[in-house]
Amino acid sequence: DIVMTQSPDSLAVSLGERATINCKSSQSVLYSSNNKNYLAWYQQKPGQPPKLLIYWASTRESGVPDRFSGSGSGTDFTLTISSLQAEDVAVYYCHHYYSPHALTFGGGTKVEIK
Amino acid sequence: QLQLQESGPGLVKPSETLSLTCSVSGGSISSSSHYWGWIRQPPGKGLEWIGSFHYSGKIHYNPSLKSRVTILVDMSKNQLSLKLSSVTAADTAVYYCGREYYDFWSGYPGWFDPWGQGTQVTVSS
Repeated sequence: DIVMTQSPDSLAVSLGERATINCKSSQSVLYSSNNKNYLAWYQQKPGQPPKLLIYWASTRESGVPDRFSGSGSGTDFTLTISSLQAEDVAVYYCHHYYSPHALTFGGGTKVEIK
Repeated sequence: QLQLQESGPGLVKPSETLSLTCSVSGGSISSSSHYWGWIRQPPGKGLEWIGSFHYSGKIHYNPSLKSRVTILVDMSKNQLSLKLSSVTAADTAVYYCGREYYDFWSGYPGWFDPWGQGTQVTVSS
């Protein structure tokens, strides 16, 4: 299986400041046939299901604020919140869907307000 | 607007079979553009993919659970079901169903969107 490792486990950021979350896969999730990275990011607030933010590593889902951005390729990926808002307090997960390996998620990164 | 709703017993005894249903409204489970899947989240922990179903008959299971998992679909009711046999306390979790993107390049499932609200299942005698 592809192991997804997120860092840090948690971070505290001041309102309006940048938050950066890293995700590393144990092998490349770049599909050579279409040159796409098979990676998504989700946001989960307490008591709620996860919400899709980003897919194909950098494509923002419709309705997601543009302060959220995804980057990276191959095995190293980043989710950036450019200006943290109070409503962004949540746990963030990366997720690979590079077949035929079992779909797996990172361990999560908890974002809090400093 | 697509909605998914999980339902089933909140308490299951060890060694028994966990059975859950996901009712889909606002969309068809026979869509060729999507898979439909199950994910679980143990208390205070991360997410674990269980399996995914495509109306064409393609089914993919997490190898770590494959020997105990069955995903079935009732097209007439627009429902997805999950059966997990021989449960233990380690199977205690919130169980989510979700719609998945169908990747036409690989034929495999992609990201989950949307998710149901989830249903808590506790395994205890």
